[in-house]
Amino acid sequence: GENVEQHPSTLSVQEGDSAVIKCTYSDSASNYFPWYKQELGKRPQLIIDIRSNVGEKKDQRIAVTLNKTAKHFSLHITETQPEDSAVYFCAASIGGNNRLAFGKGNQVVVIP
Amino acid sequence: SQTIHQWPATLVQPVGSPLSLECTVEGTSNPNLYWYRQAAGRGLQLLFYSVGIGQISSEVPQNLSASRPQDRQFILSSKKLLLSDSGFYLCAWSVQSGGHEQFFGPGTRLTVL
Repeated sequence: GENVEQHPSTLSVQEGDSAVIKCTYSDSASNYFPWYKQELGKRPQLIIDIRSNVGEKKDQRIAVTLNKTAKHFSLHITETQPEDSAVYFCAASIGGNNRLAFGKGNQVVVIP
Repeated sequence: SQTIHQWPATLVQPVGSPLSLECTVEGTSNPNLYWYRQAAGRGLQLLFYSVGIGQISSEVPQNLSASRPQDRQFILSSKKLLLSDSGFYLCAWSVQSGGHEQFFGPGTRLTVL
């Protein structure tokens, strides 16, 4: 089955700097890759996603890049702000029925 | 617009007691429904998913079960809780076709003592 690895597990950045989180996946058939942000005690919420026919997608300070050959995708957050502090999960689609395999999460801490 | 509800929000149960968590979705029809468990400091583990009424697929063996008695209702149950069942339980929905976002409910925090 699909195996999604996410690293680093924790990341501390100074406010205003950039943060990059990388994920790798194992199933070459995966074609949908969302990123979720989860604040403490709250539900995960989608922040950006990318499909396999696209190499990069950007939404304001957030961007995602996908390398299908190497089977990895990355989340880039520029000009980080304290409200960016959260756990970020990557995921990859599994087979049919819109199932997702999630990485273990990455704790991002933005230091004011 | 679509909304997803879960209840209760928090629950403390003794070991060996039964469990019933409920999830309902509004504003959409024939959704895919999912139950996830998130242990403290861990990722999201898919427990069950359903593509229609009465259709349940289990992802991992465990002492939990799921049911979908109505199109937009998904229930997670156990006859006898274990300590290891403690965690944050999240229900999610998506449209049927692949490659689409899953929308999460607010979650239920279960503590088994």
